[in-house]
Amino acid sequence: QAQVVESGGGVAQPGRSLRLSCTTSGFTFSTFGMHWVRQAPGKGLEWVAVISHDEDYKRYADSVKGRFIVSRDNSKNILYLQMNNLRVDDSAIYYCTRDLRISTSTWFDPWGQGTPVTVSS
Amino acid sequence: SSELTQDPAVSVALGQTVRIICRGDSLRNYNASWYQKKPRQAPRVVMYGENNRPSGIPDRFSGSRSGNTASLTITGAQAEDEADYYCNSRHDNGNPWVFGGGTKMTV
Repeated sequence: QAQVVESGGGVAQPGRSLRLSCTTSGFTFSTFGMHWVRQAPGKGLEWVAVISHDEDYKRYADSVKGRFIVSRDNSKNILYLQMNNLRVDDSAIYYCTRDLRISTSTWFDPWGQGTPVTVSS
Repeated sequence: SSELTQDPAVSVALGQTVRIICRGDSLRNYNASWYQKKPRQAPRVVMYGENNRPSGIPDRFSGSRSGNTASLTITGAQAEDEADYYCNSRHDNGNPWVFGGGTKMTV
């Protein structure tokens, strides 16, 4: 079955960088768009970024635009999130998930357990 | 602020029916999807499209949409349904996907 596993989280100081990875299996990765979603402590889910199957389409939440870069390696079935100029309010659990669509319906499935990112001085 | 609005909390007695509502202009053009989130667990999709349940989701979960409102209904709520529920939809202005603020459901 389709699975995603996030990794790469950790502790970073404000202004530093981290790169998250999402290793996928059980589906043809190169044919699906992928998303990053995060949840800060005590807060709700926040959509972060999307990338199309062929990297032609990338979009970011306003809160991370200009600082985060989403990419993918279809030969390795891995999704990435390069997080630059980190801020304290970027602290969250980061999830990757697959984009599924029918007509005007989009949903995200599966989800991994997430990787925690803490930004602190 | 979220462009999809949800009530922060709802309470339901065991075995009773509860409806969780999500409002937003984007819902006039796009269907919502719904996610169940329990502490220390990954989010799980429980509803998508007009009224589609993924495999493994009990049939006590149902969905609907009318105008700018999407609803997730749980008929005969069980203790294991206690969780935070989030709606999500595509969005034409601002961020292209948006989550609602979430509804904490207590059984």
